[in-house]
This record gives sequence, structure tokens and C-alpha cells, in this order.
Amino acid sequence: AQTVTQSQPEMSVQEAETVTLSCTYDTSENNYYLFWYKQPPSRQMILVIRQEAYKQQNATENRFSVNFQKAAKSFSLKISDSQLGDTAMYFCAFMKYTTDSWGKLQFGAGTQVVVTP
Amino acid sequence: NAGVTQTPKFQVLKTGQSMTLQCAQDMNHNSMYWYRQDPGMGLRLIYYSASEGTTDKGEVPNGYNVSRLNKREFSLRLESAAPSQTSVYFCASNHRVNEKLFFGSGTQLSVL
Repeated sequence: AQTVTQSQPEMSVQEAETVTLSCTYDTSENNYYLFWYKQPPSRQMILVIRQEAYKQQNATENRFSVNFQKAAKSFSLKISDSQLGDTAMYFCAFMKYTTDSWGKLQFGAGTQVVVTP
Repeated sequence: NAGVTQTPKFQVLKTGQSMTLQCAQDMNHNSMYWYRQDPGMGLRLIYYSASEGTTDKGEVPNGYNVSRLNKREFSLRLESAAPSQTSVYFCASNHRVNEKLFFGSGTQLSVL
């Protein structure tokens, strides 16, 4: 079974600064996907970024980037130039790459990010 | 662009009551899922439907039943609600395996 650990329950960052969220996972699989989802107060789950394990290059999406360390089983999210709208709960998630994984995401407990003016 | 629509958004039940949470997607997705979210625990998979006509248990299926009514709709039923089922419930869908999930806006359920 896979487990996903987010060790930071809450982080605070000032506008325009950078914050890094940590995520570690435990798996014996070689092929898998990793995700970061954002959940603002509206409760909507929004995909921030996705990383395929077979790709060495770290994924980036505008101000969001990841540091994927496969050997260390680490998948951190960096938010650059933080904005007030980035205030949200952030979830790290893991999905096995098999034909029957069917979106069975395994989620971490989440990190609450608060961006202050 | 409705995406994934869940109803109701909020519900309060008494212990022992039954109810059905409805979910519909308009993206022609093959697979649909039900997750629950509890404080400090992230989301956990209750049931999923890989394709129309099939359903399978997820991580926490006890106390729930599901129906994949057609390709668009996937409902979750609580036959006899318990306080431990107080949670936020999310429906999600995707077209093919390994594609990203699209989530509904959630149902806040309280069981007293």
C-alpha cells in the first residue's frame, strides 16, 4: 500500500515571497503519478501540477514548480511570488500507473497555506 | 461548462436516516469516484466506477452503496446514517486511467 505524508500542517508566507511545501511518499512501484491539488475556502479541488515518475524533468506551471526526487521519494511544491489567492489547503497525491488504478488517488493530510499582505 | 455537479451542497441527517448523494458529469467521462474528506486526513476513496455498469470498493466502503445509473450519473447512498459519516463528500470523474480527476464542489454532510 502507498502512503503519502505531508509533515507541515500549516505554513504562512508574505505576499510576493516564496514558500515550499514538502511531501514524501512510500511505494514499491516504479511507475506512478504525483499531483498537487489546491483547495481554497470554496472547497473546490483544483489541480495545480502533475508529475510523471518516468520523467526526470521537474514539472512547472507558471508560479508553481516541483522538486521531484524519485530515489528519496520526495515531491515538494514551490510557490513563487505568492499571492493572496494562493491561500488554500494543498494536498499531495499519488496514483499508481497501472491499467486498473482508475484514478485511485492516495492523498496526504494537507498543508494549509496562508498568504499575508 | 458544468463539469461535475453534486447535489445537495449541504445536508443534516439524524442517526439512522437514509439519503442519496447525487453526482452527474457532462464531460463524457468513463470513470467516476466518490471520496470523503475528514479533517486532518485528506481525501479517501469510498467507491469508484471504472466504466458504466461496473462499481468497486475503495478504501472506506463500509456503510455506503453506489449506483452507476448511466454514463453521466453516479450516486452514493447511506442506508442508515451514523455520526462517523459526518464528512465532506466529493464526486470526481476522468476519461481514462492516469488522467487527471475533475472534482465536484462537495457535499457537507452532518449526522446528528
